[in-house]
Amino acid sequence: GAVVSQHPSRVICKSGTSVKIECRSLDFQATTMFWYRQFPKQSLMLMATSNEGSKATYEQGVEKDKFLINHASLTLSTLTVTSAHPEDSSFYICSARDGQGLNEQFFGPGTRLTVL
Amino acid sequence: AQSVTQLGSHVSVSEGALVLLRCNYSSSVPPYLFWYVQYPNQGLQLLLKYTSAATLVKGINGFEAEFKKSETSFHLTKPSAHMSDAAEYFCAEGSSNTGKLIFGQGTTLQVKP
Repeated sequence: GAVVSQHPSRVICKSGTSVKIECRSLDFQATTMFWYRQFPKQSLMLMATSNEGSKATYEQGVEKDKFLINHASLTLSTLTVTSAHPEDSSFYICSARDGQGLNEQFFGPGTRLTVL
Repeated sequence: AQSVTQLGSHVSVSEGALVLLRCNYSSSVPPYLFWYVQYPNQGLQLLLKYTSAATLVKGINGFEAEFKKSETSFHLTKPSAHMSDAAEYFCAEGSSNTGKLIFGQGTTLQVKP
């Protein structure tokens, strides 16, 4: 149980285009989902927290107009990287919390974004 | 502010040797602590978690960690390393208020044959 999927696993796009990444909780309802960014050989950096039906809360320094997050249902959250540029290339990981476990987050497999 | 420190960004052990990955937390209240493992180009997999039920926590793949309040530590150990243990390991502390996880910098474990 507690499986989180992400789609796509890998995406390559041209500079200036927008890319949408989906995060789904497959066997539980996720009241809260988190989006992280990870640079090579570095730790995870929390970008934002999204709660179903409300606006996402962004961490300091993260551009909310650049990284649009939508959490329309208890099983789906999306991250859209708008007008992507090469510096947005990174590994994006989502996680989901079911509200029952002791702050345990279940992580998706990640999405590798490469902007040319 | 909460912080998690992992001492040693890179640890190298021989196959069959003891694995010790260090983690110190900063919270002054009873923390929720986690160890995750990450293989290349994959997400994080939970190894074990501390929830105040017991100070010695056993996880998957033979790993365990001991919570020591006096040292604010939660070090991860495994008696005998396998080649398949080579990966990136992250210690994290959870916030009971926000549900957020604060991650350490990560430790790369290398296992030599």
